[in-house]
Formats: sequence, structure tokens, C-alpha cells
Amino acid sequence: QSALTQEASVSGTVGQKVTLSCTGNSNNIGSYAVGWYQQISHGAPKTVMFGNSLPSGIPDRFSGSKSGTTASLTISGLQPEDEADYYCSTWDYSLSAVVFGGGTKLTVL
Amino acid sequence: QVQLQESGPGLVKPSETLSLTCTVSGGSVSSGSYYWSWIRQPPGKGLEWIGYIYYSGSTNYNPSLKSRVTISVDTSKNQFSLKLSSVTAADTAVYYCARVGPYGDYVDYWGQGTLVTVSS
Repeated sequence: QSALTQEASVSGTVGQKVTLSCTGNSNNIGSYAVGWYQQISHGAPKTVMFGNSLPSGIPDRFSGSKSGTTASLTISGLQPEDEADYYCSTWDYSLSAVVFGGGTKLTVL
Repeated sequence: QVQLQESGPGLVKPSETLSLTCTVSGGSVSSGSYYWSWIRQPPGKGLEWIGYIYYSGSTNYNPSLKSRVTISVDTSKNQFSLKLSSVTAADTAVYYCARVGPYGDYVDYWGQGTLVTVSS
């Protein structure tokens, strides 16, 4: 069982806004920045957000936020190429480990 | 743009040691601002952190793998390496090297990954 909890699946239509969530506790998300990773068709993960920063080359329709012990990744104006698995991660100081969520499969209808 | 590239055998026999190297370009493993990490993904499953190393050589490992893992760094070659001993079929996975933020909280750059199969 993952230390961070993500929805198993989320779907949306082209142009829609969707939000993926990543829930942890005060030992992890409540204390550290969160990274979000996109993995298309089992290829290598690509970082789409870290902390409040958008990596170079990532469209600005991706945005991130955090409230308490839940982090969110919002995709505004969903595109077909956004269909992928999305993972979140952060540091957990009680486990002394980097922890990942179980991943969310995003389907673009 | 930082690039990472994994290299090493794609097939390892059970009970032997898995060895991989990550070569970094466009950045330096001697940078004091980042950690250098190994992460794996078994077929059809999610991501699992293995451990990371700082340029000074200090390390931190996943408690579930700690007894079998060694990560080392070679600043002269701008590389870091993974050794995982006593492997079983459960260690079959795609292994990624990655650069991790200053608090170990996020990955900003990933390698392309390399599949390691444990089989006799």
C-alpha cells in the first residue's frame, strides 16, 4: 500500500479541466514539496510539476497546488496527448524515504 | 538541460548482484544542490524509490531494500552507480536514475530507464 493516495482513474473530455489529487499526512505532503510525473504508455516518467514550479517545456495548462496534506495537479484545457498515468511523490521524514502515490490513470474521452 | 543515461546488464541470474551505472551530462553530480537517485518500476506496477546519494557520498536507502543496496558516486566520471545483491524475480523491473531536489522531495530529471530481468 502506497504512503500517498491517488485516484485509480480519472477521465475527462478534450478542453475540460481535470484535477488529480495526492493525499498524504503531516509527515510528508504536509511538510515538503510534491512532484508530479506523467508516464505515457509505460515510457519513462516526465516531471510536469515540482513544488510550485513548471519545468521548462511543460505547457502552462498544467498547474499544481497544495492544501494541508493534499496536493493537486490541475490540467486546464485537457488535450488528447495528456492521456497517461500520473504519479506524485515527496519526502516522508518518519519513514526516511521518498514516497510515491500509486498513480492515476487519466483517460481523455 | 540535464540528461541521465542508465547502463548495465539487462539479464541477471537469481542470487547474483545487479549492477547499473548512470552517466550524467549537462549537469554535475558534484552539485551541492541535488541528490542522485535510483527508482524502479516492476512490470505493470507503480514507482518504487530505491535510494539516493549526495556528491559527498552520504546515502539514504529505502528501508525495505537497505540490506541489499549500495549506491556510490564517481565525481571524476560524473556517474553514480547502483548495486543490488541477492536478487530474485521480484527485482525484475525497469530501473531509472534520476536527479532529486534539495530536500529529497521531488524528481526533476529522469533517465530513460533500463529493463533488468532476473532469470536463470
